[in-house]
This record gives sequence, structure tokens and C-alpha cells, in this order.
Amino acid sequence: EAGVTQFPSHSVIEKGQTVTLRCDPISGHDNLYWYRRVMGKEIKFLLHFVKESKQDESGMPNNRFLAERTGGTYSTLKVQPAELEDSGVYFCASSHGQGGTDTQYFGPGTRLTVL
Amino acid sequence: GQNIDQPTEMTATEGAIVQINCTYQTSGFNGLFWYQQHAGEAPTFLSYNVLDGLEEKGRFSSFLSRSKGYSYLLLKELQMKDSASYLCAVRVYYAGNNRKLIWGLGTSLAVNP
Repeated sequence: EAGVTQFPSHSVIEKGQTVTLRCDPISGHDNLYWYRRVMGKEIKFLLHFVKESKQDESGMPNNRFLAERTGGTYSTLKVQPAELEDSGVYFCASSHGQGGTDTQYFGPGTRLTVL
Repeated sequence: GQNIDQPTEMTATEGAIVQINCTYQTSGFNGLFWYQQHAGEAPTFLSYNVLDGLEEKGRFSSFLSRSKGYSYLLLKELQMKDSASYLCAVRVYYAGNNRKLIWGLGTSLAVNP
């Protein structure tokens, strides 16, 4: 079974540009999560999809961030326009959504650097 | 607020036992997870505790005391490949039926020969 994949692995852009990150969850997982880790800080929740619907986007920093999950499969996270403070590692995770454990499985992350 | 504390760094010797502690102050507790993360890789699931007590899985065990807001991860027969960051995360309920993970900063473990 393939794990969670993310593309690109690294992205270096200039302030004001647009970047789109992609996440492919484990097949059959209804839940998809986006997290971000800024250097020196803990991993922080951004948002949660259940299938194609946004269950919770309370962690999104501001309206420069837009996440979509059309068709309930892969998800994209767009940052437009990017600012210096958006630099960090963006992780995606997916889970089945059933059972008490409902473990989240993580992708390797996209390291975003905004210059 | 929600807060999770764990030591920043630990060092141990190959073949030894190490215990990584995690304390938390959260509301809406719905389970505690331990993840292992090697540099540049995805965090990988190690263990889950929702009830008090010890969960054992091979060389790794995890303990939870909900009344004390405390957990530890015990690694036995340490191997060099166990050198990694160990992340403590608490799942919390909030705003009705929503759940999310609150993370500690991670403990960087170095295993020396």
C-alpha cells in the first residue's frame, strides 16, 4: 500500500509569488489534514478535510492560504502571495476515520522557503 | 491554553534503555500518540494510549497517566537507527465533534556506539 505522498519536496520562491503544494493521501482515507512546522516551533494544525468537505480550517493563518480537495482524493494548498513568515515544512496526513485510534499517517512534507 | 512539554535532547548508548517523558495540559483529551521522525522524513506512528497504563509493542512501550497529564516512551535494546526525533502529540476534542493533534516540540535522541 502506497503511503502519503507530497509534491514538491522543496520549493524556494520569492516573496509575493504563488506556490501550490500537493498531497496524495493513502487510498481510501476519507480524512486529510494539513500541518505546518516553522523552524524552532512545534507542528501546528492547519485544516482538516473529510472527503471533499472542509471539516475544520481554524488553523489556517490567514486568507492568503487556500486549500482544496476536489473529488475527495488529492488536496492542494495554495499560498498567494507568499510572505517570509510562510517558510516552513508543510506536512499532510491522512486517516481512515474509523475506530478509536484513527491513526494519522504522514507524508514526508514540503519544505517551503520564501526569500 | 494547550501545552505539551518534552525534553529537547537526550543521549543514550547502543543496547541501553531510554525513557522519554511528555507532560501535557490540554482540554478535551482524546488520546496520546508518539511518533518517530528521522531528519527529512515523515513522522511515523509508534504508539497510541487513551487509557491509563502501559502499551507494549516490541522494543517500544508507552505509558499514560491521565490524572497526572503524563506519558513516557520507553525504548529498549537501543540501536543506532533509533537516533531520531520523538514527537509526543495529544489528540483533543473541540468545537463539537472536531478532533486535532496538539504537538510537542520533539525530543532529539542520539544513540552512541
